[in-house]
Amino acid sequence: QSVLTQPPSVSAAPGQKVTISCSGSSSNIGNNYVSWYQQLPGTAPKLLIYDNNKRPSGIPDRFSGSKSGTSATLGITGLQTGDEADYYCGTWDSSLSAHVVFGGGTKLTVL
Amino acid sequence: EVQLVESGGGLVKPGGSLRLSCAASGFTFSSYSMNWVRQAPGKGLEWVSSISSSSSYIYYADSVKGRFTISRDNAKNSLYLQMNSLRAEDTAVYYCARARTGTTDYWGQGTLVTVSS
Repeated sequence: QSVLTQPPSVSAAPGQKVTISCSGSSSNIGNNYVSWYQQLPGTAPKLLIYDNNKRPSGIPDRFSGSKSGTSATLGITGLQTGDEADYYCGTWDSSLSAHVVFGGGTKLTVL
Repeated sequence: EVQLVESGGGLVKPGGSLRLSCAASGFTFSSYSMNWVRQAPGKGLEWVSSISSSSSYIYYADSVKGRFTISRDNAKNSLYLQMNSLRAEDTAVYYCARARTGTTDYWGQGTLVTVSS
């Protein structure tokens, strides 16, 4: 059971838009920046979004992030087959039991 | 270019020990906190441990507290994870990752640890 809650899967057609939600609490998302990671099959996670809505160099503007209260959202527009991957949200947690927490991951299928 | 290369994974029996290493290059290692994150087969990401740049602050997940020890050698640009009393549920790919304020920005390719008799 992950501290952050994500839908297990989402799907959309090429060229369409999809959003992935990430729900937490005041000890994590509510008071900390959220990051999003993309994990292509058989590879290590890669940072997509940091500080809720910033993109590292080289990440296309098709990827966007937002945060409101204790929830965050990843948006992907102009879907491509190469976007098929697992997506994870992550943040810091101020509770005693964890320092860094992740969502359970969302499998994106581009139909 | 930031590079993180893990090593030391392998097959170990329950109750055994293993020491993972992570060689860092392409950035000033001594200026960054570092994390170990693991991923069990077919499962999601699980944070394992964090260490601050000067080793002053160290944190562990409850699942490994008392069994795993994180350390670093800034002179060798290296991060370590000593894993003792290993259990089947510790089987996972272990990633070394660089921490930055509010995020984890670079990840290694991972090293597989399998705990099985």
